[in-house]
Amino acid sequence: KAGVTQTPRYLIKTRGQQVTLSCSPISGHRSVSWYQQTPGQGLQFLFEYFSETQRNKGNFPGRFSGRQFSNSRSEMNVSTLELGDSALYLCASSATKGGYTFGSGTRLTVV
Amino acid sequence: QKEVEQNSGPLSVPEGAIASLNCTYSDRGSQSFFWYRQYSGKSPELIMSIYSNGDQEDGRFTAQLNKASQYVSLLIRDSQPSDSATYLCAVNKNAGNMLTFGGGTRLMVKP
Repeated sequence: KAGVTQTPRYLIKTRGQQVTLSCSPISGHRSVSWYQQTPGQGLQFLFEYFSETQRNKGNFPGRFSGRQFSNSRSEMNVSTLELGDSALYLCASSATKGGYTFGSGTRLTVV
Repeated sequence: QKEVEQNSGPLSVPEGAIASLNCTYSDRGSQSFFWYRQYSGKSPELIMSIYSNGDQEDGRFTAQLNKASQYVSLLIRDSQPSDSATYLCAVNKNAGNMLTFGGGTRLMVKP
């Protein structure tokens, strides 16, 4: 059974640019959540999608957005990148409440 | 006060000993509780889930929940060097699938 697939694995962007990250959940999982992980702040919740609808949203600025497609694949977008957006972005899928399986993450570096 | 608190460690235990990791949470409405293990450079991996007061055992791992004290713990029996990792406590407090994570406890098991 394939796991959660995140692409790309690594990304280097310049301040002010925008970036789109992709996540393919485990087949059959309808819930996809996104987290930002940094050494200082730990794992912080960005948003959760379920059946193409945003069900929960964390405390991040509007520059962070996401969406989910009918096949449950999800994307997140960060516009007008700032140096502080450098982080590991993790996608997690779940068939049940809380039983997340995380992807390998996308490491974003903003220079 | 953080919503989910953990001692950052490191917690150092000798091989074969019991490692005890603790977590407190602030929202009494929290419903589900999870422990994730994260090796350096890897993504978090779910190791235990617990939903009601008491103990939940799986192999060498035991999760304990005390909702009155708002306290969750993880015991690792017969600790092995391969258990050396950061252990993340996570709490689900709403109807969706949003998890709030603690900052993690770094466990070091010395041979």
